[in-house]
Amino acid sequence: NAGVIQTPRHKVTGKGQEATLWCEPISGHSAVFWYRQTIVQGLEFLTYFRNQAPIDDSGMPKERFSAQMPNQSHSTLKIQSTQPQDSAVYLCASSSGRINQAPLFGEGTRLSVL
Amino acid sequence: GEQVEQRPPHLSVREGDSAVITCTYTDPNSYYFFWYKQEPGASLQLLMKVFSSTEINEGQGFTVLLNKKDKRLSLNLTAAHPGDSAAYFCAVSAGTNTGKLTFGDGTVLTVKP
Repeated sequence: NAGVIQTPRHKVTGKGQEATLWCEPISGHSAVFWYRQTIVQGLEFLTYFRNQAPIDDSGMPKERFSAQMPNQSHSTLKIQSTQPQDSAVYLCASSSGRINQAPLFGEGTRLSVL
Repeated sequence: GEQVEQRPPHLSVREGDSAVITCTYTDPNSYYFFWYKQEPGASLQLLMKVFSSTEINEGQGFTVLLNKKDKRLSLNLTAAHPGDSAAYFCAVSAGTNTGKLTFGDGTVLTVKP
């Protein structure tokens, strides 16, 4: 079984440009999560979908960040007008949605904003 | 909200020694607990999940102890080997959304031959 697939693995953008990150969850998983990992802040929850519906976006920065899940096979995280402080590894995870199932993580997208 | 403190941030041991990593959390309603391992340049690999109030779970070469009374979670690698060198993260979740995790800051474990 393929795990969570994230593309691209690395992305370099200039300040002010837009970045779109893609995630393909494990087939059959109904819950999709986005996290961000930096040296300074560690691992931070961003947002969560269940059955494609947005459930909790309490970790998303209020401006410039948006996430969507247009179908069960992929989710996107879009960052508009990227800033150097957005540089991080963005991790996508999925789970079956059952109450005791741990999210399984993809390999992440390393975003570098110059 | 939930806060998770993980100690130590760095740990260096000799091959064959034990290594203990501990997390304490604040939310008494936390119910689901996980340990992840992250090798350099790789993603988070699930090591163990534990849910019961006081539980010892044994995996391959490690033991996890949860003490809900003290709000403490620990990972004990019983006989570390160089392949165990990695960053380890505890993660805590409350309620029914087990995917919304609060992570500890991680422990970088180095096992020297």
